[in-house]
Amino acid sequence: EAQVTQNPRYLITVTGKKLTVTCSQNMNHEYMSWYRQDPGLGLRQIYYSMNVEVTDKGDVPEGYKVSRKEKRNFPLILESPSPNQTSLYFCASSFGAGGLGYEQYFGPGTRLTVT
Amino acid sequence: AQSVTQLDSHVSVSEGTPVLLRCNYSSSYSPSLFWYVQHPNKGLQLLLKYTSAATLVKGINGFEAEFKKSETSFHLTKPSAHMSDAAEYFCVVSEKWGAQKLVFGQGTRLTINP
Repeated sequence: EAQVTQNPRYLITVTGKKLTVTCSQNMNHEYMSWYRQDPGLGLRQIYYSMNVEVTDKGDVPEGYKVSRKEKRNFPLILESPSPNQTSLYFCASSFGAGGLGYEQYFGPGTRLTVT
Repeated sequence: AQSVTQLDSHVSVSEGTPVLLRCNYSSSYSPSLFWYVQHPNKGLQLLLKYTSAATLVKGINGFEAEFKKSETSFHLTKPSAHMSDAAEYFCVVSEKWGAQKLVFGQGTRLTINP
């Protein structure tokens, strides 16, 4: 089954404790992206990747890191989480950029709480 | 720069009546436009997309949207609401040339009354 998987689905952590949210897709997509969803703000793009070893900042990259060493995986790293990073996070993948009309396939989401 | 405004944060309709979810966009270049739906505790699913072909776009589950360049709008409609349509809907814009980002609207929560 074609899908985007994220782990963990739920995470409660404390300020400053490094964490990684994994994202994996099995559709051989080149484009992958991370979003955060906050009430009243819709989804905001954190980082995206056009291909292996090619990443770029989205609209809200502060406090996050990413890497794309393999085509299927695109982990999101919070080196020192803070309470304002409490949010619902979505990973997405597609064959190409949205600007060219490619559909994004979304993972189920990771709900992160930082205390 | 590109931006999206969804004009209603919440829309409530009765089952069997028409649905209208409004979206205005701003884009410096020819945009691609999408509507995504998010059911409770689920990820997002594509409803339909516009990529400069026909201005009236048909999607899944009876939804359609019309691209109106003169009004910079991309409103989502459905002739007859069903209880299963209750969800949050996002209008999304992406510029065709150069920009690789997707910009989401704030979302419209659709409630269906029996």
